[in-house]
Amino acid sequence: DQQVKQNSPSLSVQEGRISILNCDYTNSMFDYFLWYKKYPAEGPTFLISISSIKDKNEDGRFTVFLNKSAKHLSLHIVPSQPGDSAVYFCAASSDNTDKLIFGTGTRLQVFP
Amino acid sequence: DAMVIQNPRYQVTQFGKPVTLSCSQTLNHNVMYWYQQKSSQAPKLLFHYYDKDFNNEADTPDNFQSRRPNTSFCFLDIRSPGLGDAAMYLCATSRGRVATDTQYFGPGTRLTVL
Repeated sequence: DQQVKQNSPSLSVQEGRISILNCDYTNSMFDYFLWYKKYPAEGPTFLISISSIKDKNEDGRFTVFLNKSAKHLSLHIVPSQPGDSAVYFCAASSDNTDKLIFGTGTRLQVFP
Repeated sequence: DAMVIQNPRYQVTQFGKPVTLSCSQTLNHNVMYWYQQKSSQAPKLLFHYYDKDFNNEADTPDNFQSRRPNTSFCFLDIRSPGLGDAAMYLCATSRGRVATDTQYFGPGTRLTVL
């Protein structure tokens, strides 16, 4: 039972354009959401997070949007750069659990 | 740089032959996690230590054990590896257990079972 879903295994975007990575969740108790980025041969690294009391969080080129009614969040990267090419994992947590539930990841390729 | 180190990066073992994976950290974090990630799947938490307190996930097979002899080191023991245990094993650390305490991951150990 996959509580956090990333339905697009891969995404290809031209440099300078917007990348939009999507994530859906099923557990309405989730109240904190994170995005991790993973380069080959490295571990995932934290990118950005959002609490359920917000609907948007921005950090430089990265913005995460949360739509609680739709149980959907998205990561926007503007403008996309070749160095953004990586696998992006969405993760979720709730107050009554001490663990992160990860999605399966989306591989982003940014081409020149 | 403070970091999470995993050894070895690649481990090959035979079916049924015990294997131990190692994780060390220089972050002085209280919590250490072990995740299993199979190909094209999400990382799945196996267990974690909060200081010396061991917390096992309900669906983690008994074949998997862990030891944390001190703050810096944590080991994953697979007593009798099966073909289905072939995966990437990720170690992570965090200061505390709440979700807002960022988890820092090591590069992983890829386990192959022959």
